[in-house]
Amino acid sequence: DQQVKQNSPSLSVQEGRISILNCDYTNSMFDYFLWYKKYPAEGPTFLISISSIKDKNEDGRFTVFLNKSAKHLSLHIVPSQPGDSAVYFCAASATSGTYKYIFGTGTRLKVLA
Amino acid sequence: ETGVTQSPTHLIKTRGQQVTLRCSSQSGHNTVSWYQQALGQGPQFIFQYYREEENGRGNFPPRFSGLQFPNYSSELNVNALELDDSALYLCASSLSHVQREAFFGQGTRLTVV
Repeated sequence: DQQVKQNSPSLSVQEGRISILNCDYTNSMFDYFLWYKKYPAEGPTFLISISSIKDKNEDGRFTVFLNKSAKHLSLHIVPSQPGDSAVYFCAASATSGTYKYIFGTGTRLKVLA
Repeated sequence: ETGVTQSPTHLIKTRGQQVTLRCSSQSGHNTVSWYQQALGQGPQFIFQYYREEENGRGNFPPRFSGLQFPNYSSELNVNALELDDSALYLCASSLSHVQREAFFGQGTRLTVV
């Protein structure tokens, strides 16, 4: 039972254009969402997060949008740069005694120069 | 301020053996979580330790066990290794067990042959 889904295994975008990475979830108890970026041979790096009380959070080139009714979130990267090429994981957590993350399977982004 | 560090970075073990993986949490962080990332999958939550006590466990058998020490460093022990235990093991630390963002180490790549 995959509670967090990233249906696009890969995405290629031209440098300077917008990258949009999508994530769907099924558990309505999730109230906090995060995006992590992972380069080969490194651990995931925290990118940006959003609480369920918001519908948008922005940090520089990165913006996360949350649509609670659709149980959908997306990460926008504008403008995309070659250094953004990595695997992006969406993660969700619910308020509980243990703030564990449920991860999606990741989307490999390739930004073409 | 040092980040999360894990050791060793790579390890090869034989089926049936036991293994211990180590994690030093980020300075000031008292909560450590362990995740297993199989090839092509997102990380899966194994368990979390907060102030030396287990604070939540994922769907992993009892042969996966852990410890947290007074300096908040942590160990993951796996007994009776199986081939399917081959994965990247990630440690993540957070400021407290109610902190929503966690920071990951680079991981330990375990291969069971």
